[in-house]
Amino acid sequence: GDSVTQTEGQVALSEEDFLTIHCNYSASGYPTLFWYVQYPGEGPQLLFRASRDKEKGSSRGFEATYDKGTTSFHLRKASVQESDSAVYYCALSDRNNNAPRFGAGTKLSVKP
Amino acid sequence: DPKIIQKPKYLVAVTGSEKILICEQYLGHNAMYWYRQSAKKPLEFMFSYSYQKLMDNQTASSRFQPQSSKKNHLDLQITALKPDDSATYFCASSQYRTEVFFGKGTRLTVV
Repeated sequence: GDSVTQTEGQVALSEEDFLTIHCNYSASGYPTLFWYVQYPGEGPQLLFRASRDKEKGSSRGFEATYDKGTTSFHLRKASVQESDSAVYYCALSDRNNNAPRFGAGTKLSVKP
Repeated sequence: DPKIIQKPKYLVAVTGSEKILICEQYLGHNAMYWYRQSAKKPLEFMFSYSYQKLMDNQTASSRFQPQSSKKNHLDLQITALKPDDSATYFCASSQYRTEVFFGKGTRLTVV
């Protein structure tokens, strides 16, 4: 079935570091891809999504570009802040727009 | 004000018992979902409902039964509880398969 793979389980950075979290997907056609963020005690919140090849999603300084060639949707941020510490999930909704399926998540810890 | 209300926030149950997790959404959405999050399987999709009809079921066990009494309610009944059912259960909703919004979850512990 359709799935997403996040390779980093945990990422530890210092403030102002550059962030990359890798996400690769497996699906037919053009699924919709998402990045969600989850803070402790909360449900996941949508950061942004993209549904076409080369489409860039962005929010709060985070961005990712849909790349069908490499089946990727990597999350990047140029300069992280301590407040960005959270768990980040890549997710996919298939071409029938069924409920999103999530990757394993990446826990980001940012030191001041 | 939270737009997706899940009750209770915490729940402790005895093995073999039955519990109902409550979910109400006030976003006017027509689709509702249940997800489960545990250390073993982060954010696992369970069910989706649209206009109170089951659309997708990825839960193998019949011990998990969604119940939709109103279009903005989707409760989750779990019977014959096992310790492995311990997890945080998230209710979510969307308007016709657009952005999915999540509640804060019910943390279930089965002892």
